[in-house]
Amino acid sequence: NAGVTQTPKFRVLKTGQSMTLLCAQDMNHEYMYWYRQDPGMGLRLIHYSVGEGTTAKGEVPDGYNVSRLKKQNFLLGLESAAPSQTSVYFCASSYLGNTQPQHFGDGTRLSIL
Amino acid sequence: KNEVEQSPQNLTAQEGEFITINCSYSVGISALHWLQQHPGGGIVSLFMLSSGKKKHGRLIATINIQEKHSSLHITASHPRDSAVYICAVRANTDKLIFGTGTRLQVFP
Repeated sequence: NAGVTQTPKFRVLKTGQSMTLLCAQDMNHEYMYWYRQDPGMGLRLIHYSVGEGTTAKGEVPDGYNVSRLKKQNFLLGLESAAPSQTSVYFCASSYLGNTQPQHFGDGTRLSIL
Repeated sequence: KNEVEQSPQNLTAQEGEFITINCSYSVGISALHWLQQHPGGGIVSLFMLSSGKKKHGRLIATINIQEKHSSLHITASHPRDSAVYICAVRANTDKLIFGTGTRLQVFP
């Protein structure tokens, strides 16, 4: 029972490079989320999706894009990475949005040089 | 001022001690979550509560809606309880707001 799987676990990028973080869940959850975690701050919502084919902006969406082409996958893209995007990224999913606990992946540690 | 405040930020304890972590919030909420972040980074949900008290094993979570305060208690603490404990509230706007976490270290 995999739950929420994030790939990759670690990545180092140079400023200006692009990359995609993949999140996959096997719980048939409708809602999926991307967060970033920075020292001294609580988790902050980047983008979220309430179902296949839908996406919406969260609290800190600038510099990121997302896609939810399949219900089980939620992709987070950085088109032109900046040092300010150095962070730990978490994906989460839930069946009925914020009325239920979210299930989190193990995180992706991303460093932008 | 953050909408969700946790105290203390850091906590050390000897194995067997009773632990209390506090969470105060300043917004109207419909539910409060307690989460545990393991040293390896993974986050798991411990409790979701909107009133009263919940218990799971050695963990107890309480909430006082009138005082806008919640506590997470750990009885008979163990080194494997060492983690960051995160409080999050579901605001009446449906937004989920996270605290900055309390780092707990339990020594044998």
